[in-house]
Amino acid sequence: GAVVSQHPSRVICKSGTSVKIECRSLDFQATTMFWYRQFPKQSLMLMATSNEGSKATYEQGVEKDKFLINHASLTLSTLTVTSAHPEDSSFYICSAHFPGGETQYFGPGTRLLVL
Amino acid sequence: GENVEQHPSTLSVQEGDSAVIKCTYSDSASNYFPWYKQELGKRPQLIIDIRSNVGEKKDQRIAVTLNKTAKHFSLHITETQPEDSAVYFCAASSSNYQLIWGAGTKLIIKP
Repeated sequence: GAVVSQHPSRVICKSGTSVKIECRSLDFQATTMFWYRQFPKQSLMLMATSNEGSKATYEQGVEKDKFLINHASLTLSTLTVTSAHPEDSSFYICSAHFPGGETQYFGPGTRLLVL
Repeated sequence: GENVEQHPSTLSVQEGDSAVIKCTYSDSASNYFPWYKQELGKRPQLIIDIRSNVGEKKDQRIAVTLNKTAKHFSLHITETQPEDSAVYFCAASSSNYQLIWGAGTKLIIKP
């Protein structure tokens, strides 16, 4: 149980295009999902907290108009990187909060390369 | 603000020996402390966690201890094996379920 999927696993795009990443909880309902970014050899950096049916809460320094988050159902949250630039290249990972406890389960991550 | 400090950043141990990674946290309201293992290019995997009402928890070769007074917690891996090589992250969480992450420890198991 507690499986989280994420798609795509890898994406290469041109500068200026938008990229959508999907995060799904496959066998449980997650009212809260989290989006992280991880640069090489660094820790996970929380970008935003995604709550089903309400607006996402963004961490300081993360542009909400650039990183659009939609949590339309209890099993799906999406992150759209708008007008991507090379500095947005990173490993993006989502996690879903398992209900009734504190545990977060992670998706496999999406490696984004912006040329 | 809230933070979690993790040491050491790199730990190299001989196969079969024990490894200990330590973390301290600043928010006294933290009540949940997970440890994650991350292999290169993969997702973090929860390996063990502990809640603030418990001082120690063990799962086979892995154990975690928590000292609430000193606000620190540690991961202990005994009889290390090559497959234990990875980056390990500690984290602390309070009521909003957000995790505050340590910087990570790269564990190297020497054959």
